[in-house]
Amino acid sequence: AQSVTQPDIHITVSEGASLELRCNYSYGATPYLFWYVQSPGQGLQLLLKYFSGDTLVQGIKGFEAEFKRSQSSFNLRKPSVHWSDAAEYFCAVGPTGGGNKLTFGTGTQLKVEL
Amino acid sequence: GAVVSQHPSWVICKSGTSVKIECRSLDFQATTMFWYRQFPKQSLMLMATSNEGSKATYEQGVEKDKFLINHASLTLSTLTVTSAHPEDSSFYICSAREASGTYNEQFFGPGTRLTVL
Repeated sequence: AQSVTQPDIHITVSEGASLELRCNYSYGATPYLFWYVQSPGQGLQLLLKYFSGDTLVQGIKGFEAEFKRSQSSFNLRKPSVHWSDAAEYFCAVGPTGGGNKLTFGTGTQLKVEL
Repeated sequence: GAVVSQHPSWVICKSGTSVKIECRSLDFQATTMFWYRQFPKQSLMLMATSNEGSKATYEQGVEKDKFLINHASLTLSTLTVTSAHPEDSSFYICSAREASGTYNEQFFGPGTRLTVL
């Protein structure tokens, strides 16, 4: 069964500092990988996704993520965090070749200090 | 494009009553819609997958008779929480997958906060 681990429940960074949110997955093959952001009381917005090809993917709002097969990781990064980035971030995996079911990690709550 | 709406955004009801939540894809056709439940400070748990014109597929442990799902058209799915109880209080989020979309491209609604008194 596929699973996703986000080891950091809470992260606090200063505005302007760099950010890295960790995500590790367990899956028999290379899954499709996603990062979503959720603001309080809101639904999820897709930041970026990886299906194949270049292992460094660019997303919206200045985010990027790198797929590392050897480490089964798909960490999310941003070089300079803005106060508006404070939110909950979810990593998710889906089965290769399509299919519907997404499995989400438990999320990382990001706090940005001004 | 790819906007999904939910109605209502929040609802408070008395124990024992039924509540209907609507999920609409506003600018695309969704052959598949998904219903998730999210407890405070926790991740999203998939409840069921609904395909237009057919019965929903429920995840293990989700009561079919409790959470009725209807996907009557390519733009609308409804979740009805029947005989709601306080333990059903949660944040319910739907998502929709485009009919012509690529793999796992789901678009999420803003969620519905259900409080059962």
